[in-house]
Amino acid sequence: GAVVSQHPSWVICKSGTSVKIECRSLDFQATTMFWYRQFPKQSLMLMATSNEGSKATYEQGVEKDKFLINHASLTLSTLTVTSAHPEDSSFYICSAPPEGGTDAYGYTFGSGTRLTVV
Amino acid sequence: KQEVTQIPAALSVPEGENLVLNCSFTDSAIYNLQWFRQDPGKGLTSLLLIQSSQREQTSGRLNASLDKSSGRSTLYIAASQPGDSATYLCAGQQYSSASKIIFGSGTRLSIRP
Repeated sequence: GAVVSQHPSWVICKSGTSVKIECRSLDFQATTMFWYRQFPKQSLMLMATSNEGSKATYEQGVEKDKFLINHASLTLSTLTVTSAHPEDSSFYICSAPPEGGTDAYGYTFGSGTRLTVV
Repeated sequence: KQEVTQIPAALSVPEGENLVLNCSFTDSAIYNLQWFRQDPGKGLTSLLLIQSSQREQTSGRLNASLDKSSGRSTLYIAASQPGDSATYLCAGQQYSSASKIIFGSGTRLSIRP
């Protein structure tokens, strides 16, 4: 089945630095990638939608200058948390719909990245 | 704006019981629906997918149904086991062709040995 590889699994960074999270579709082309954030004991909230070759679409309340999304190829989407602060500490997870938009399979999720900003 | 509610928020039952988790959508126009399991500190495990043309899916001790007219889905777990302890999330895809998925608030399930 389709696999999305997400790296790193966890990262600890100092306040003020930037962190890049990568999601790669291993055996299919992901023209679209969804990025979610999950705070402790809360559900997943959609942050933004990236589309290969075009600008990402951000959900209301998500700072586009802070969370930079790049979808440079059909197999790679990245999320960069710029000037990270402790309140950005969260679980970030990406998701890609099935190639071709068919509904035979559900969406594929990365394994997630736990970001801790100290 | 689509909102997804899961009831109950938390549930603790003794091993062996059959149980039902509920999920409801404010907008009943749901295309696909997925149920996921999430263990503490981990990612998501897809359990069941109800496609646009379906109303029900079964996998082992799990059965999920979707009533599109009411915008409600249920996940039935038979003969619960301690290993079933996790957070269960339902997620709806509102339209076809790679539209975003909206997640429910989750049900934290604890099965007591």
